[in-house]
Amino acid sequence: QLHLQESGPGLVKPSETLSLNCSVSGGSIVSGNHFWGWIRQSPGRQLEWIGTLYYTGPSNYNPSLKSRVTISRDVSRNHFSLELTSVTAADTAAYYCARGTYSDSVEFDVWGQGTLVTVSS
Amino acid sequence: DIVLTQSPDTLSLSLGERATLSCRASQSLIGSYLAWYQQKPGQAPRLLIYAASSRATDTPDRFSGSVSGTDFTLTISRLEPEDYAVYYCQHYFKSRFTFGPGTRVDIK
Repeated sequence: QLHLQESGPGLVKPSETLSLNCSVSGGSIVSGNHFWGWIRQSPGRQLEWIGTLYYTGPSNYNPSLKSRVTISRDVSRNHFSLELTSVTAADTAAYYCARGTYSDSVEFDVWGQGTLVTVSS
Repeated sequence: DIVLTQSPDTLSLSLGERATLSCRASQSLIGSYLAWYQQKPGQAPRLLIYAASSRATDTPDRFSGSVSGTDFTLTISRLEPEDYAVYYCQHYFKSRFTFGPGTRVDIK
């Protein structure tokens, strides 16, 4: 059974870089049938897509975050990562990694439990 | 950009009642690239419905999805205690994902 687990600091200072890892077990991140993504959720409830990593080709990012976001993978460790630079209090959120699936539509079918990141000095 | 609007914001219903949740797109969606998720407090969202009307693995058959034009509907035929949660719709278009603001289903 596929399992995703986020890890990283729970507290980041303003203007610094937020770095999170998503460890994947029970399946490979090198899969032509799936893609991998990061989604965050502000304290007010709204879910926001951050970006997506595909089997081939470049990653796609939310235009509102694109200048600050990098999503990459480490195949040897079977994990993928998120970097968000120049963070502010507005980046305080629960961050989720997820697997996406191409079926009759495109959606995220397996999610990690999420990790709360607070931006504060 | 496509904007998804969900209504109502909160739905207060009793056990056994029927819940009807709406997700409206700001423009016509290509195909049926619309999914529904359920989120309980302290948990990650869980995929319920994909392709507007297909139930995901382990989704009970009391959950159903439908579409009419730009209006998507999630129906819970008879509310069970475990169904009280927040429900989000999600669309995919041109490599971008958009989520609706969510509808909370509360116990009346």
